Amino acid sequence: EVQLVESGGGLAQPGGSLRLSCVASGFSFSSSELNWVRQKPGKGLEWVSFISGSGITTYFADSVKGRFTISRDNAKNSLSLQMSSLSPEDTAIYYCAGSSGSSVAFDVWGQGTMVTVSS
Amino acid sequence: QSALTQPRSVSGSPGQSVTISCTGTNSDFGGYNFVSWYQQHPGKAPKLIIYDVSERPSGVPDRFSGSESDNTASLTISGLQAEDEADYYCCSNAGRHSFRYVFGTGTKVTVL
Repeated sequence: EVQLVESGGGLAQPGGSLRLSCVASGFSFSSSELNWVRQKPGKGLEWVSFISGSGITTYFADSVKGRFTISRDNAKNSLSLQMSSLSPEDTAIYYCAGSSGSSVAFDVWGQGTMVTVSS
Repeated sequence: QSALTQPRSVSGSPGQSVTISCTGTNSDFGGYNFVSWYQQHPGKAPKLIIYDVSERPSGVPDRFSGSESDNTASLTISGLQAEDEADYYCCSNAGRHSFRYVFGTGTKVTVL
């Protein structure tokens, strides 16, 4: 079964840090481009970050650039998002999403992990 | 990085057809066929239903179809069914080497 499972969400203080993880199974992880997509409470989807299959190429949305770092460990089929300088505006469900085929579309999604930034 | 524009809501009776528009700029679509559509039921993760403008992943009913013209993408649901009631989001990647994904504002589809 094709699957992505996120973990690491929770409560963080404004200005604090949090690290999200995503473990994959059921597809060719190392050849798949991966992303983080977030959804603020009651709002729409927002792309956050991209990483290539090799991990060499990364991109970030302007809203998180310089504060978030994305990385992957192909040996462990895992993806990470290191978030720092968090603000209440970062409160959201964070999904890892993958492009396992030839298209750039997100054909594999995790169930999401909730991040709440509050004092 | 402004969101693509979608109608807030559309509705239809079972068996009818509804179309959701997704409007952007030339920089959002760029002439590349990288438009995708996602269905999201309440409390669930999004699900890919259309990729590359008009392609359907395996298992997605053929009542879902997509198209794009002049910087507007469209999703049509023909033969509306109760389980189609959900939020729908378009998404564009302006080019293979830009990797700037932009989602639409989202449309709530209500089955009357």
